[in-house]
Amino acid sequence: GAVVSQHPSWVICKSGTSVKIECRSLDFQATTMFWYRQFPKQSLMLMATSNEGSKATYEQGVEKDKFLINHASLTLSTLTVTSAHPEDSSFYICSARDRRGHNEQFFGPGTRLTVL
Amino acid sequence: AQKVTQAQTEISVVEKEDVTLDCVYETRDTTYYLFWYKQPPSGELVFLIRRNSFDEQNEISGRYSWNFQKSTSSFNFTITASQVVDSAVYFCALLGFTSGTYKYIFGTGTRLKVLA
Repeated sequence: GAVVSQHPSWVICKSGTSVKIECRSLDFQATTMFWYRQFPKQSLMLMATSNEGSKATYEQGVEKDKFLINHASLTLSTLTVTSAHPEDSSFYICSARDRRGHNEQFFGPGTRLTVL
Repeated sequence: AQKVTQAQTEISVVEKEDVTLDCVYETRDTTYYLFWYKQPPSGELVFLIRRNSFDEQNEISGRYSWNFQKSTSSFNFTITASQVVDSAVYFCALLGFTSGTYKYIFGTGTRLKVLA
C-alpha cells in the first residue's frame, strides 16, 4: 500500500516551454500533497504544500506564478513549470499524505527535468 | 526552528567494513518523527525506518541498526558489513509540525561509497 506515482519520470524541453508533472496516490486518498525540488548533490527542498480543492501554499522564495500547482482531486496533484529555463532543470519529487490522518508522507519516484 | 544536520558529506569504506552515519536534529516539538531514507542513483527515495519521539528503543533490521538518543538529539544509522549495493546517498529527516501542518525537514545527506 501507500504507493505514489509520478509522470513523466523524465522530461527534456526547450527553454520557454511549459512542463506539467503529475503526482498520483494510487491506493489511498491524499488531502495534502507536497512538491520538492532537488538540485544535483543537494538535499530535498520543499517548494509547496498542495491541499485538495484549495490554493497551494508556497515556501519562501518559490515563485507561485512560475510553479503552478493544482490539486483537483484526492489522488492527483500537478506541478506546471511555466516558461522553463535551464536553471529550472532539477529533480522534482512529490509526496502525499494519507487522508486518514497519518502524518507520514509517501514519496513518488521523482521526475527529472532538463531544460535546454 | 527545526533543523537536521548530517555533518558527514561523503564517506568511503571498503566492503565488509561497518559504517555509521550521523544525524543530529533540532526541534521544540514534543511529538515528532525521525526517518532515514536511501537514495540510489535512480533518484527514488527508499524508506528505511521511522521513529516517533516517544520510542527510544534502538532497532536492528538485518545489517542495519539505528540508535536514537533524545538526550543528544541524535538518530544515527549503522550499516554492518557494508556491501557495494549500499552505495547511495542517505538522508535523515525530521517530520515536525510547522506553520499549521506536518512538514519534512531533510538533512543535507551523506554520500556513502562502498568500495569492492
